Amino acid sequence: RKEVEQDPGPFNVPEGATVAFNCTYSNSASQSFFWYRQDCRKEPKLLMSVYSSGNEDGRFTAQLNRASQYISLLIRDSKLSDSATYLCVVNINNTDKLIFGTGTRLQVFP
Amino acid sequence: GAGVSQSPRYKVAKRGQDVALRCDPISGHVSLFWYQQALGQGPEFLTYFQNEAQLDKSGLPSDRFFAERPEGSVSTLKIQRTQQEDSAVYLCASSLGDRDQPQHFGDGTRLSIL
Repeated sequence: RKEVEQDPGPFNVPEGATVAFNCTYSNSASQSFFWYRQDCRKEPKLLMSVYSSGNEDGRFTAQLNRASQYISLLIRDSKLSDSATYLCVVNINNTDKLIFGTGTRLQVFP
Repeated sequence: GAGVSQSPRYKVAKRGQDVALRCDPISGHVSLFWYQQALGQGPEFLTYFQNEAQLDKSGLPSDRFFAERPEGSVSTLKIQRTQQEDSAVYLCASSLGDRDQPQHFGDGTRLSIL
């Protein structure tokens, strides 16, 4: 079983739609959680960290459920420029390496 | 801007050749990471340095893979006797060293083994 699992998609949504991605992780010692965005043939870039209380950054909301070992990302009012792959990432306690999911591909159409 | 710089951007090699990939981290970044990303997959951890010390190399797939960072700045990932399964994008990332600090990635080196 992969340490971080995501639905690979693709999710095809119209502009203005709300879309949610889910992610589960297997290691209960996971300490830090992130969503990264990766455009085609580009490097991953940090979108946002995920905090236990949930956090919001503009149109993006991230939630963490430690009991269920589940992370989510909600994107409201989708833009064409949101089209990318969204990578769920965890950091295991007492290590520095990041564990990436395979990514969920989002395509926003006009 | 002075982001993470990787070279070459693309590398084509014949099976059996040795290759060397270079990473220039952001100035002042203590931690440096190498990841391997196969097509359609997320990046997979290879190895990690804090300054010149290689603290974790658990992700290196075989003893053909070797990484160094002799002066705690530039790092080189070397792959000896390359195989076709080594074809992937090799990403380098650096951070300030605190686990709460984000990792900043370079553009990667796209390696193709023929």
